[in-house]
Amino acid sequence: AQKVTQAQTEISVVEKEDVTLDCVYETRDTTYYLFWYKQPPSGELVFLIRRNSFDEQNEISGRYSWNFQKSTSSFNFTITASQVVDSAVYFCALSETITGANSKLTFGKGITLSVRP
Amino acid sequence: ETGVTQSPTHLIKTRGQQVTLRCSSQSGHNTVSWYQQALGQGPQFIFQYYREEENGRGNFPPRFSGLQFPNYSSELNVNALELDDSALYLCASKQVRGGTDTQYFGPGTRLTVL
Repeated sequence: AQKVTQAQTEISVVEKEDVTLDCVYETRDTTYYLFWYKQPPSGELVFLIRRNSFDEQNEISGRYSWNFQKSTSSFNFTITASQVVDSAVYFCALSETITGANSKLTFGKGITLSVRP
Repeated sequence: ETGVTQSPTHLIKTRGQQVTLRCSSQSGHNTVSWYQQALGQGPQFIFQYYREEENGRGNFPPRFSGLQFPNYSSELNVNALELDDSALYLCASKQVRGGTDTQYFGPGTRLTVL
């Protein structure tokens, strides 16, 4: 069975600090996809990134960067120079094939990030 | 804005009642999934619909059922509501292309069962 572990439950930082959110996953699939979603207080899950299991290149998008390491089954997310607007719950998720072309997401429990001014 | 809409935003029901939640998919998306998110937890997969048929189901009892319509909108029905059904219900849509595509979520319906 697939599993996503986000060991950190709550993180509080002061604005402009860098912060890393950890994600460890378990799967027996050889091809899989990893995701990060952001959930602000409004509740909607906002897609941030998708990474496929064959691509271990790190990715940077503005203040956001992701470090994917298959050897340790980790997909960590770093926010550089955090801002108050980054305050939200962040979920790491793993895709799992259901049948043929269809897949479902297995989510971790989420990390609540609070950025203080 | 993902283009996925859900209604209603909030709902209060009593134990034993039935409820219908609605979702309108993003244009061009032919697959819709429903997730239940209890307070302080990550979303849990309920089921997925593809071309109007259930295509996969999580660990939820049969009193959770769904429909997908030709225009790809969808409903989640829950019968005989229980207190533990209180949660945020999220709908997600995607365009299937080899099971790899990103699911885009709506704002959710918050259901409270008293």
